[in-house]
Parts: sequence; C-alpha cells; structure tokens
Amino acid sequence: DADVTQTPRNRITKTGKRIMLECSQTKGHDRMYWYRQDPGLGLRLIYYSFDVKDINKGEISDGYSVSRQAQAKFSLSLESAIPNQTALYFCATSGVQGSYGYTFGSGTRLTVV
Amino acid sequence: GENVEQHPSTLSVQEGDSAVIKCTYSDSASNYFPWYKQELGKRPQLIIDIRSNVGEKKDQRIAVTLNKTAKHFSLHITETQPEDSAVYFCVGGDAGNMLTFGGGTRLMVKP
Repeated sequence: DADVTQTPRNRITKTGKRIMLECSQTKGHDRMYWYRQDPGLGLRLIYYSFDVKDINKGEISDGYSVSRQAQAKFSLSLESAIPNQTALYFCATSGVQGSYGYTFGSGTRLTVV
Repeated sequence: GENVEQHPSTLSVQEGDSAVIKCTYSDSASNYFPWYKQELGKRPQLIIDIRSNVGEKKDQRIAVTLNKTAKHFSLHITETQPEDSAVYFCVGGDAGNMLTFGGGTRLMVKP
C-alpha cells in the first residue's frame, strides 16, 4: 500500500550527538513536512518542502535541519541533540490536486539523555 | 498567516452521548478544513474533511459543519463509543498552500 515510512521508530541518543530521522513515501506526493509532538500537546511544524528544490522553516526550526534528497525522501537532522528535543516526530505528505489532506508516518520516538 | 483555535482542550462524555468540538480560524481565504483523529501512541489519521463551498458533510456517526461568515467549523460525533476516545485535531488553510493545526481536543468516552 502507498504509505509514509519513518525510520527509526524509536531512538535513544546522548546529548551532543548528531542524529538523522528519515522519511520516505510511496504516495507520489510533492509536499512533505516534519512535525514535533510533545506529550499531551499538539503538532508543531519544524520544516516543510513543497518540491525537491524547496525548503521552508516552520515555527520551531532552531536546532534542526532538513534535506530533501528526492521527491520521495525527506530527512530531519538534529546537529547536536539536547534533552528538550525529546519528543515524538512525525513526517507527513500531501498532494497538490485532489489529495490535500496530510498522510502521516508512524512517527519516531526520540529520547535524548 | 492562519491561526486555528480549538475548544475544548478536553471533553468527557458518557457512551452513547454526542460530542461536539469547535474551531475558529482567522484567514477568510482558507478553503479546506480536515479533521484528524490520533489514538494513543499512533499517527494522526484523516477522518473527514470539508471544503469552503459546502456547509455540512456527514459520514455515518460523524459530521462537520462550516460557517464561513463567522469563521467557525465544528465536528459532531453522535452515539459515542469507547473507541472514539482519542485526540482530535481540527485543521484549516488554503488547500493549495499550507494547513494549520488546532491545539487538539482529548475526547474521553466513559463506558
């Protein structure tokens, strides 16, 4: 089935380490997003990309960077992880014509110790 | 940019009762309003959406209404069941551009 896949599903890392979260999709969507969700809270937008050559900051981009390697791949990096980046991270995709709703990946639960 | 506010933040109902979640938006150019359900530990999933040229849409036990003049939209769940317990997000924006999420409503259905 066409879907959005995130790897890893869970990750524990140490403060100061660089870590990359990966997202790939088979939905053929042009638009991809990275969101962060803290316990009991809503979704906050980190970065988004409307096509391969387009990268935009969201509301909480500090401490994060992204790479859109292909239409189907969008990676999120934490250059130097800190404990308050412990959260659940979701990748999402959306289409342009007729499929405007977002499809989310299963999420990556990141713990920084 | 668009600002979407959602109320209440938590809602507890008895099984079989109805639940209503309300949202407001700020940008009159917004034309697409989806709703997402997120069960504990899972991904948000689209449950219903409405376009700005429609005032109401229904799918079995769930319905959404949109009042463009007042910039309000609402989710109605009838005959609630324990499996309806989840966090619900309203979303608004321009379908050709960005969508903005509301803060979420935690719905608890008590058996």
